[in-house]
Amino acid sequence: AQSVTQLGSHVSVSEGALVLLRCNYSSSVPPYLFWYVQYPNQGLQLLLKYTTGATLVKGINGFEAEFKKSETSFHLTKPSAHMSDAAEYFCAVKTGGFKTIFGAGTRLFVKA
Amino acid sequence: DGGITQSPKYLFRKEGQNVTLSCEQNLNHDAMYWYRQDPGQGLRLIYYSQIVNDFQKGDIAEGYSVSREKKESFPLTVTSAQKNPTAFYLCASSIVWGTEQETQYFGPGTRLLVL
Repeated sequence: AQSVTQLGSHVSVSEGALVLLRCNYSSSVPPYLFWYVQYPNQGLQLLLKYTTGATLVKGINGFEAEFKKSETSFHLTKPSAHMSDAAEYFCAVKTGGFKTIFGAGTRLFVKA
Repeated sequence: DGGITQSPKYLFRKEGQNVTLSCEQNLNHDAMYWYRQDPGQGLRLIYYSQIVNDFQKGDIAEGYSVSREKKESFPLTVTSAQKNPTAFYLCASSIVWGTEQETQYFGPGTRLLVL
C-alpha cells in the first residue's frame, strides 16, 4: 500500500535561510510524486511533480525537489526563504491508476 | 479564465439537516474529486468520478452523497448521517483518471460549520 510521511508538522526558518521540507513515501511500484502548497483558507496549488526522467525537479516560486529512490524520499527545498512562502505544504504520491495519497502537511513559518 | 469554483465559501448546517456543496469546473476535465481536510490529517478522499454518470466511494464516503450528471459539475451532499461534518471541503479535477497526467487542480474550498 502507498503511504506518505512528512517529517515535522511545523517548520520555522528565518527569511533568507534554506527551506527544507521532508517527505518519505512507501510504494511497491515506481511512484509519481507531487508537492502542493496551500495558503490559508484556499485550495491546493501544484508546486512541482516527478513522473519519470530527471530526478531533480524544479517548480514554481524557486522550489525544487529531488527524487531519491534508494532513500524513498522526495524532499522539497528552496535556497532562500521569503515571507510569502509561509503556507502549508503537502507531499503526495500516486502509483499507476490508483488514487493520490496526501501527507499530513507541514506548516512553514518564515521569521523576519 | 479556466478553473474550479466552489460555493458557498462558508456553510452552516443545523443538526439533522442535509446540505449541498457546489463544485463547477470549466477545464474540460473528465475526473473530479471531493476531499475533506481536517487539521493535522491532510486530505482524505470522500468520492471521485472518472467520467460523467459514474462515481466511486473514497476512503470516508459514509454520510456523504454525490452526483455527476454533467461533466462540469460534481456536487457533494453532506447528509444528516455524517455526525462530524465540521471541516474544510476541497473539490479537485484532473484531465483523466489514472495516468501520469493526473495533476489535480483544486478549488478554493468550502468551510462547513455546524450550528
